[in-house]
Formats: sequence, structure tokens, C-alpha cells
Amino acid sequence: GNSVTQMEGPVTLSEEAFLTINCTYTATGYPSLFWYVQYPGEGLQLLLKATKADDKGSNKGFEATYRKETTSFHLEKGSVQVSDSAVYFCALGSGSNDYKLSFGAGTTVTVRA
Amino acid sequence: DAGVIQSPRHEVTEMGQEVTLRCKPISGHNSLFWYRQTMMRGLELLIYFNNNVPIDDSGMPEDRFSAKMPNASFSTLKIQPSEPRDSAVYFCASSFVGGTGTETQYFGPGTRLLVL
Repeated sequence: GNSVTQMEGPVTLSEEAFLTINCTYTATGYPSLFWYVQYPGEGLQLLLKATKADDKGSNKGFEATYRKETTSFHLEKGSVQVSDSAVYFCALGSGSNDYKLSFGAGTTVTVRA
Repeated sequence: DAGVIQSPRHEVTEMGQEVTLRCKPISGHNSLFWYRQTMMRGLELLIYFNNNVPIDDSGMPEDRFSAKMPNASFSTLKIQPSEPRDSAVYFCASSFVGGTGTETQYFGPGTRLLVL
């Protein structure tokens, strides 16, 4: 079945550093890919998504490109802020109707001032 | 837009008691999901409804858990009797699953359940 593997954390960075969180997937068909973010004490929020190969999702300075050849959807941000401290989840749609999302384990990111 | 609404936000109960969690999905969405989040097991899908009908309940841990969706604007997740290992954050999410199929799930703020 579909599954997603993401980089284990925790990740600790200084402000303005470059952030990369790796995510790779196993899937049949052509599923959509998502990054969700969870701030402390809150629910998950969609950060960005891509629906087909070579699509780039972007939001709030974060980017991720749907790479079919490497089955990856790595999340990047060029200059992180303290407010980016959160848990980041990579997620994979089912490929047929995408109603079911498979989530990675989550990566905790802490940005120090 | 009010977003997904969950209640209560926090619940503390004693082992053996019944617990009912409530969710109001986003208006117009036709799909609703219940998740459980723990440190040990991460985020787990418990059950999924489409057009108020349970489609996939393979993630429901055992018979102590039950979920209903009597109409498009309300769902409950019930645990009876509750046990300490049920302590977790329970999230409700909703989406619109349509022809394109690539729909985003919108999560509520969660209910933090502690069973003593």
C-alpha cells in the first residue's frame, strides 16, 4: 500500500538557517503529496501540496517539488524564523480519490533566535 | 469560515467512564475523518465517513470505540468504557471529495483526552 517516510527529528536550527526535511514515498498510481504543519497545541494545517509530477507547492517561504523519478517531496525553506518552530508532516494521498491520507511520523523543528 | 469545530477541547475522566467527542465539519464538505495522535504511535486514522456513511473503520482500535455521523454537520466519537491507554489527542478533519479527488483535509484543534 501507499506509505511515506520522512526524516526523523528533532531538528534544531538557528534563525535564518536553511531547512530541509526529507520525505520519500511508495505509491501506486498518481497520488497527491502534502506537507502539513502543526504548531504547539494546535491541529494540523495544510502548508502546501502538489498534485502531479514536477509540480512545485509553495507557501510562507516553504517549497517542495513532486519528484516522481526519485519518489520524493522534500520540504525546504531558505531562511527560517523562530515562528517556524513546529512539527511538520509529509502526507500522501491514496492515488485513486485521495480521500485517505498516509502521514509520515512527523519532524519536530525548533528554531533558536 | 469557522473551520472544523471540536468539543470539548480538553477532557479528563476516570477509567471506565464514557467519553463522547464531538465534531462539526466545514459546511459543504462531504467527508469526515477521525484521527488519534500519540507520542508512541503518531497520527492514526480511526474512521472515515463520506456523505455521512462510514466507509473505512479499519483503524478503530476495538469495540469500545464507536463513531456516528447522523447528518452532514455533526459527528461523534464515543469511547465506552474508557481506559488510560486511550489518553491522546483526537482530531477531526473534513474535506470535499469530488471528481478531481485531490482534496485537502482541514483539521480541527483537537480534543485532549486524559483518562485517569
